[in-house]
Amino acid sequence: GENVEQHPSTLSVQEGDSAVIKCTYSDSASNYFPWYKQELGKRPQLIIDIRSNVGEKKDQRIAVTLNKTAKHFSLHITETQPEDSAVYFCAASYNTDKLIFGTGTRLQVFP
Amino acid sequence: NAGVMQNPRHLVRRRGQEARLRCSPVKGHSHVYWYRQLPEEGLKFMVYLQKENIIDESGMPKERFSAEFPKEGPSILRIQQVVRGDSAAYFCASSRTGTGGLTNYGYTFGSGTRLTVV
Repeated sequence: GENVEQHPSTLSVQEGDSAVIKCTYSDSASNYFPWYKQELGKRPQLIIDIRSNVGEKKDQRIAVTLNKTAKHFSLHITETQPEDSAVYFCAASYNTDKLIFGTGTRLQVFP
Repeated sequence: NAGVMQNPRHLVRRRGQEARLRCSPVKGHSHVYWYRQLPEEGLKFMVYLQKENIIDESGMPKERFSAEFPKEGPSILRIQQVVRGDSAAYFCASSRTGTGGLTNYGYTFGSGTRLTVV
């Protein structure tokens, strides 16, 4: 089955700096890669997703890149703000039937 | 559109009791997924259901856990004879379809049920 690894487990940045979180997946059939942000005690919220037919997608300060050959994808957050502090999860799936999540990255943005 | 509704938000059970967690999907969504999140960990897939059918239960523990999504009413995740290790947040998600394509599936999570076994 699919296995998703995520690094780093914690990430601390200064406000205004960029943050990068990386994930690798094992199943080459996976074709859908969402990223979720989870604040303490709340539900995971989709922040951006990418499908295997594109290599990069951007939404304001957030971008995701996908390398199908290497089976890895990354989340890039630019101009970080304190409200970006949360736990971020990557996930992979085939046709969105079920999501296999990474172990999460706790991002702290210091003012 | 009320989104995915889960209840109760918090549930406390003594060891050996039964826990019943409910999930009402987004109106029009026929696919429901249950995930478990242990403290300080990621979400683990448990089961994927469509109306009256279990599609994938590869993440469900073999004993004490069951799930259903009847023709009418919410999806239910049932845990019998709960143990302390069952304490976790249980999230439900729903989507319009589980098939491939380029459309937005609207995969949406509920707010979760936090189960505490004492």
